[in-house]
Amino acid sequence: AQSVTQLDSQVPVFEEAPVELRCNYSSSVSVYLFWYVQYPNQGLQLLLKYLSGSTLVKGINGFEAEFNKSQTSFHLRKPSVHISDTAEYFCAVISNFYSSASKIIFGSGTRLSIRP
Amino acid sequence: GAGVSQSPSNKVTEKGKDVELRCDPISGHTALYWYRQSLGQGLEFLIYFQGNSAPDKSGLPSDRFSAERTGGSVSTLTIQRTQQEDSAVYLCASSLSLYRAGQEKLFFGSGTQLSVL
Repeated sequence: AQSVTQLDSQVPVFEEAPVELRCNYSSSVSVYLFWYVQYPNQGLQLLLKYLSGSTLVKGINGFEAEFNKSQTSFHLRKPSVHISDTAEYFCAVISNFYSSASKIIFGSGTRLSIRP
Repeated sequence: GAGVSQSPSNKVTEKGKDVELRCDPISGHTALYWYRQSLGQGLEFLIYFQGNSAPDKSGLPSDRFSAERTGGSVSTLTIQRTQQEDSAVYLCASSLSLYRAGQEKLFFGSGTQLSVL
């Protein structure tokens, strides 16, 4: 069965500092990976995704993530954060993509808070 | 509509009552999910509909929870004999398809905040 683990429930950082939000997945087959973001009082929206090809994927608002198959990780990074990045970030996985049994599973989320 | 619509946006009910939550997905989207979002629990998968296939109900927490999707469009999540631990935000999401790369992006509704007193 597939699962997603987000190791940090909360990450506080200072404005303009770099940040990494960690995500590890568990699956016995190939996976597609996603990061979704939920800004305060807004719905979830897709930040970036990895389906195939380059293991480094870039998303909106300067975020990027790297797929590491050997470490079963898909950590999200940004070199310099802004106050507007304050949000909750969710990692998600689909495994066995073309199977009728596949579905999107989310992690428990990481709350990113930016301090001025 | 332009996006996924959920109603009601807020629902306050008494313990033991039944509630129905509605989701109108984006027109043409064949995949529809229900998730539950609680403080510190992230997004908990409840149920998944894909086209005419039998729904994946593996995430429903108890037999008090059920969902249906009529005509491949509108979905209703029903919670019978509500309990205080059912209090949460219930989110609906839809996508074009889960079987074609590029069509798996989920579009979320604003959710229904359920409070069981």
